[in-house]
Parts: sequence; structure tokens; C-alpha cells
Amino acid sequence: AQSVTQLGSHVSVSEGALVLLRCNYSSSVPPYLFWYVQYPNQGLQLLLKYTTGATLVKGINGFEAEFKKSETSFHLTKPSAHMSDAAEYFCAVSSQGAQKLVFGQGTRLTINP
Amino acid sequence: GAVVSQHPSWVICKSGTSVKIECRSLDFQATTMFWYRQFPKQSLMLMATSNEGSKATYEQGVEKDKFLINHASLTLSTLTVTSAHPEDSSFYICSAATGTGAYQPQHFGDGTRLSIL
Repeated sequence: AQSVTQLGSHVSVSEGALVLLRCNYSSSVPPYLFWYVQYPNQGLQLLLKYTTGATLVKGINGFEAEFKKSETSFHLTKPSAHMSDAAEYFCAVSSQGAQKLVFGQGTRLTINP
Repeated sequence: GAVVSQHPSWVICKSGTSVKIECRSLDFQATTMFWYRQFPKQSLMLMATSNEGSKATYEQGVEKDKFLINHASLTLSTLTVTSAHPEDSSFYICSAATGTGAYQPQHFGDGTRLSIL
């Protein structure tokens, strides 16, 4: 069975600081990995995805993530936080033959001025 | 591209009534749609997978007779909460994929906040 663990339910950084949101997964087959962002009272918006190929994936809004198979990780980063980045972030995994997503618990990102 | 519209965004109704939520893919055809439930400050819980023209596949523990799902066309899936009670109050979110491959991302609607009095 697949699972996703997001370390830290709440992360707080200063505006302009590095953002690092951690995601570790468990999968018996090669995973497909996704990061989504959710603003209050809204659905989820895709930030980026890893399927195959280059392990460093760039997404929207300046975010990127690196797939590290040896560490079973897919951490999300952004070099410089903006106030507009404050939201809930979800890491999710699927795999070949199973289209449904398994989500992590989510990480709430707060940006301090 | 890949826009999913969900309606209504917010509904309040009395206990015992049925509520229908619509999920539409506006600019693509969605063979598969998904329905999630999200409790406050929690992650998304998959309720069911909806395939066009066939019966939905429900996750373990989800009552099929309580949450009726219909996927009559490639752009529309509906979730009907039958005889709703206060414990059914929640945030319901649908998503749709542009294809059947697991590598294809799901695109989400903006959710429906359901409050049962």
C-alpha cells in the first residue's frame, strides 16, 4: 500500500526566506508524485508533478521539488517566500495501475512579514 | 486549460433532505472523476471514483446508498447526499483527470461546503 508523510503540520517562515516543505512516500512500485496547494475554502491547485525523467521538477509560482529515490522523498522548495504563498500544501502519490491519489496530511505554510 | 467547475459552492439545508453537487470539466473530457471529503484542518479522503457510463467505485467505509454518484457524460459527474444529517456536514471536493494514466494529474473543483442543520 502507498502512503505519504509530510513532516511538520505547520511551517512558518519570514518573507524572503527559503521555503522547505518535506514529503516522504512509501510505494512498492515506481511512484508518480504531486504537490498541490489549497487556499482557504477552495479546491486544490497543481503546483508540480514528477512522473519520469529529470528528478528536479519546476512548477508554478517559483516552486520546485526533487525526487530522491534513495531517500523516498519529494521535498518542495522555494528560494524566497512571498506573502501570497501562505496556504495549505499537500503532497500526493499515485502509481501505475492505480490512478487514485493518496494524500499526505498537509502542511500549513505561514509567512511572517 | 483543465478547468473543473463545482456547483454549488455552499449549501445549507435541513436534516433529512437530499443535496446534489455537480462537477463539470469545462474544457476537457474526463473519463474518470473523483469525489473527496475534507474535514476541517485535515487532508482529503477519497470517497469514490466515478467512471463515465459505469457504476462508481466506492472506498471502504463509504455508504453507497448515502452518497449516490452518477457520471452520465464525459463532462459531468454528480454526487447526491441522500437524507442528509448533521454528521454529513463537510467540505466536498471533486476532481477530474484528462486521461486514465496514473501519471496524469487530477484537476480539482473549488469544493462545496455542505452544512446540515
